[in-house]
Amino acid sequence: SYELTQPPSVSVSPGQTARITCSGDALPKKYAYWYQQKSGQAPVLVISDDSKRPSGIPERFSGSSSGTMATLTISGALVEDEADYYCYSTDSSGNHRVFGGGTKLTVL
Amino acid sequence: QVQLVQSGSELKKPGASVKISCKASGYTFTRYTMNWVRQAPGQGLEWMGWINTGTGNPTYAQGFTGRFVFSLDSSVSTAYLQISSLEAADTAVYSCARGVYGDYVIDYWGQGTPVTVSS
Repeated sequence: SYELTQPPSVSVSPGQTARITCSGDALPKKYAYWYQQKSGQAPVLVISDDSKRPSGIPERFSGSSSGTMATLTISGALVEDEADYYCYSTDSSGNHRVFGGGTKLTVL
Repeated sequence: QVQLVQSGSELKKPGASVKISCKASGYTFTRYTMNWVRQAPGQGLEWMGWINTGTGNPTYAQGFTGRFVFSLDSSVSTAYLQISSLEAADTAVYSCARGVYGDYVIDYWGQGTPVTVSS
């Protein structure tokens, strides 16, 4: 079955840039999406179509994709950005959708 | 505004069944798909599948065939997830999430329904 691989954790100091990666064989041809999930809350879409920022998402959130890796970048991370982040995509057939294992971002 | 409001938490015994509802509002129900996502305690998100809200045709991910059933009542803009023969391993939060036809993006989520299976 198709898998997306993320690092379990990333830690940065406030104001630094946090980068969270997501690797998957189909990413050269399929978009990646990124969701932020704060403790006890529903996920929120923060990046769509590899790099598009939905309305209401702060400009410090950006996304990129190159080859088999997609990257979520948080420029000038704030303490309020502490959350679990999940990438999401599909296999090459488009039928098997999957979330990455999630990355816990710590900002302190 | 788009809202997906799910039914409340459930406590069930092993072997029982549960049916979770997800009522949509703020958009035309049949113009978007409905996905279901599971999150076990302390674990990540797991895509369970989706249902075509126009035809009622479901698609189940690997590992979610047999005991899991997606259904609809379009007259009240509500999607349902039924799980039968519950096991302790089914203990999780189950969320409905709106999707876009012709794409696989999920753009809005319900608040999640905790299901606990315990004797």
